[in-house]
Amino acid sequence: QVQLQQWGAGLLKPSETLSLTCAVYGGSFSGYSWSWIRQPPGKGLEWIGEINHSGSTNYNPSLKSRVTISVDTSKNHVSLKLSSVTAADTAVYYCARGICSSTSCAEDWGQGTLVTVSS
Amino acid sequence: QSVLTQPPSASGTPGQRVTISCSGSSSNIGSNTVNWYQQLPGTAPKLLIYTDNQRPSGVPDRFSGSKSGTSASLAISGLQSEDEADYYCAAWDDSPMEVFGAGTKLTVL
Repeated sequence: QVQLQQWGAGLLKPSETLSLTCAVYGGSFSGYSWSWIRQPPGKGLEWIGEINHSGSTNYNPSLKSRVTISVDTSKNHVSLKLSSVTAADTAVYYCARGICSSTSCAEDWGQGTLVTVSS
Repeated sequence: QSVLTQPPSASGTPGQRVTISCSGSSSNIGSNTVNWYQQLPGTAPKLLIYTDNQRPSGVPDRFSGSKSGTSASLAISGLQSEDEADYYCAAWDDSPMEVFGAGTKLTVL
């Protein structure tokens, strides 16, 4: 069964850089679009950005100046970096991969990583 | 404040049919397709409906989606206790970015 596994630091101080990595086990890495989405405690979902199978990126305009999403094809990893974090960046961060064929689409999500920003 | 508007809550009894609405604008739902997600308590969201009305493999046909103009709906028929969850609509916006609704908490009475 396909699993997306995420890891990264769970506690940051204000002004530090959030860094998370996501890998897929039991499934393919190439050909997929990869997204990062976050969810503040008790709140709804917020799209952070994506990188498609060609390496092109799109970012949430409200975060664009601080976000970088990249792929390491040698390790089959996708990474998220968010600089200059504040308490407002405290959230569960999810990676997700998606693919569509001519007949259907599929999407898988990671388990989520809680990142807390506190001095 | 979310770009897409959903009711904060919905409820129904087992076996009933429930619908959840999602209202947007010409820059998102009006010109792009809608996805729906189900988030069970303490878990990651799961894709329930894509491209307005398509179900991924493994999603029961009790779940259906529709869209008209700048609004979309998720319908759940034959409501079951395990359907109790938060439901989110999402659509690509011309910004360009993906936008979500604030979520609807479905309670099975």
